[in-house]
Amino acid sequence: DQQVKQNSPSLSVQEGRISILNCDYTNSMFDYFLWYKKYPAEGPTFLISISSIKDKNEDGRFTVFLNKSAKHLSLHIVPSQPGDSAVYFCAASNQAGTALIFGKGTTLSVSS
Amino acid sequence: NAGVTQTPKFRVLKTGQSMTLLCAQDMNHEYMYWYRQDPGMGLRLIHYSVGEGTTAKGEVPDGYNVSRLKKQNFLLGLESAAPSQTSVYFCASSYSRSTGELFFGEGSRLTVL
Repeated sequence: DQQVKQNSPSLSVQEGRISILNCDYTNSMFDYFLWYKKYPAEGPTFLISISSIKDKNEDGRFTVFLNKSAKHLSLHIVPSQPGDSAVYFCAASNQAGTALIFGKGTTLSVSS
Repeated sequence: NAGVTQTPKFRVLKTGQSMTLLCAQDMNHEYMYWYRQDPGMGLRLIHYSVGEGTTAKGEVPDGYNVSRLKKQNFLLGLESAAPSQTSVYFCASSYSRSTGELFFGEGSRLTVL
């Protein structure tokens, strides 16, 4: 049973526009959420994170929003660039856990 | 600074053969993990370790064994490979528990015929 869900396998946007990647979770004990980015033939790399005590975290072009009541988080990329084309994984953890639980990923394609 | 290094990068096995994937990290991290990535399945945790000499099962541990004899190394073994174990394997490490950033290796692509 998936605890972290990324229901959109793919997303296509034009350069300069906003990309919004969504993630839902079922475990209310999760207290920390992260986004990872993965290029082909490389390992995932950390992008941005948010604690459950916050509802927004921003880092340059990347902003993560957390809606605890809806058990939903989203990653906003503004403006999108062709170099952002990659697979994005949402991940979550809880205080009792010692490993991240990942979603299935969303492939973002940014066209110029 | 090498970070997390996995060897080998590619391997082809026949069903029933055994092999070991080696993960080495030079960041003095306590926590190490093995994940597998399959198409449409995301990253799934196989085994993890919270420190030297410790190991624990993750989501999909069947068919795999691990060892953490030294803090910097985490070995993943397949005693009798099966085609279902064809996958890309990623090792990761972290300084603290899962609220911290995981650093991943480049991956090891294993094909079992």
